[in-house]
Amino acid sequence: KAGVTQTPRYLIKTRGQQVTLSCSPISGHRSVSWYQQTPGQGLQFLFEYFSETQRNKGNFPGRFSGRQFSNSRSEMNVSTLELGDSALYLCASSSSGNSYNEQFFGPGTRLTVL
Amino acid sequence: DAKTTQPPSMDCAEGRAANLPCNHSTISGNEYVYWYRQIHSQGPQYIIHGLKNNETNEMASLIITEDRKSSTLILPHATLRDTAVYYCIVRVDSSNTGKLIFGQGTTLQVKP
Repeated sequence: KAGVTQTPRYLIKTRGQQVTLSCSPISGHRSVSWYQQTPGQGLQFLFEYFSETQRNKGNFPGRFSGRQFSNSRSEMNVSTLELGDSALYLCASSSSGNSYNEQFFGPGTRLTVL
Repeated sequence: DAKTTQPPSMDCAEGRAANLPCNHSTISGNEYVYWYRQIHSQGPQYIIHGLKNNETNEMASLIITEDRKSSTLILPHATLRDTAVYYCIVRVDSSNTGKLIFGQGTTLQVKP
């Protein structure tokens, strides 16, 4: 079974621009979560989507948004990029049907904001 | 905020057991202990989880104290490929959320 895929793997943007990152979950998984990882703050939860609905949200400004499509693929968007948005963005999927709800992570998208 | 405390770093000799401790003194009765690890430049990987009984799988063993205030992840025969950051997480085992709250984790360095 194919794992979680994220595109693009690397991205360079300038301040003020916006960016869209994509995540394709494992086939059959309905939950997709997004995380931001930086050296200073570590891994932080952004939001989670389940069946096209956001069901959890972390403590990030409204510039960070996401959505999920009917095939469970998810995108996250960051508008008006700031230097501090440079990070590794990870998505994780789970079936939500497992008794232990294991999360499967993708390889991440490395975003650099100049 | 993370509800766990872990040492920032540990060393282990290749072939020896690696014992990674985790304190979770405020854990609630319905919260499970999960362990994930992150090898450099990769996404985190699930290792094991448990509620109050000791657990073992093909990757590791999890020992939870009787009062559930602490636990130890054991990698029985560490290899160089086990060098990673190990995260101990407590969470309610529910199908209603995929949210994980990561702490700073323990950087395990396995040395030849």
